[in-house]
Amino acid sequence: DARVTQTPRDKVTEMGQEVTMRCQPILGHNTVFWYRQTMMQGLELLAYFRNRAPLDDSGMPKDRFSAEMPDATLATLKIQPSEPRDSAVYFCASSPTGGQPQHFGDGTRLSIL
Amino acid sequence: AQSVTQPDIHITVSEGASLELRCNYSYGATPYLFWYVQSPGQGLQLLLKYFSGDTLVQGIKGFEAEFKRSQSSFNLRKPSVHWSDAAEYFCAVVGSGGGADGLTFGKGTHLIIQP
Repeated sequence: DARVTQTPRDKVTEMGQEVTMRCQPILGHNTVFWYRQTMMQGLELLAYFRNRAPLDDSGMPKDRFSAEMPDATLATLKIQPSEPRDSAVYFCASSPTGGQPQHFGDGTRLSIL
Repeated sequence: AQSVTQPDIHITVSEGASLELRCNYSYGATPYLFWYVQSPGQGLQLLLKYFSGDTLVQGIKGFEAEFKRSQSSFNLRKPSVHWSDAAEYFCAVVGSGGGADGLTFGKGTHLIIQP
């Protein structure tokens, strides 16, 4: 089965450090989403891309977060500088042309000390 | 703005018993509706989806859901649960006109299976 692949699975780092999370969408999917999951807020949409172009990043803190798609097989989410409140599980999802349904990766569990 | 309410934070069911998880949505037009399941430490797996047509949709693992427009509901059901069904279940909505828009999720229902 085709899968969305996220790396790393787990990341522990100190406050102030740069964090980069990577996502390889399913081959042929042209829409990529980033979500964040926390106990308090649940699953929240951060940003998404279609054909590598950003469509909406209104859910993302602009001052420290950035999302890019350098090519069709790689999406990145960066946090610089990281803060303890960024601790969460970050999910990437991809979907085919037409938009739905979305297929999720296993997430990156991020802990900022 | 669209929203999803899953009124039950936890549900405990005996193995072999039937299950219904509730989901109510708020959206001004025709939505696309989804149920996802999340096992500990894992990502979200799509159980089923409703786009249009027959309001009773079948999914994987023996699950089904019924779309009721008059009640703004999309409840998930299973006639007989197995211990392996213990997980977190999320209902989600997106506008049908948006196509590739991001999903709005409910807070989830934690399903516990008693032996």
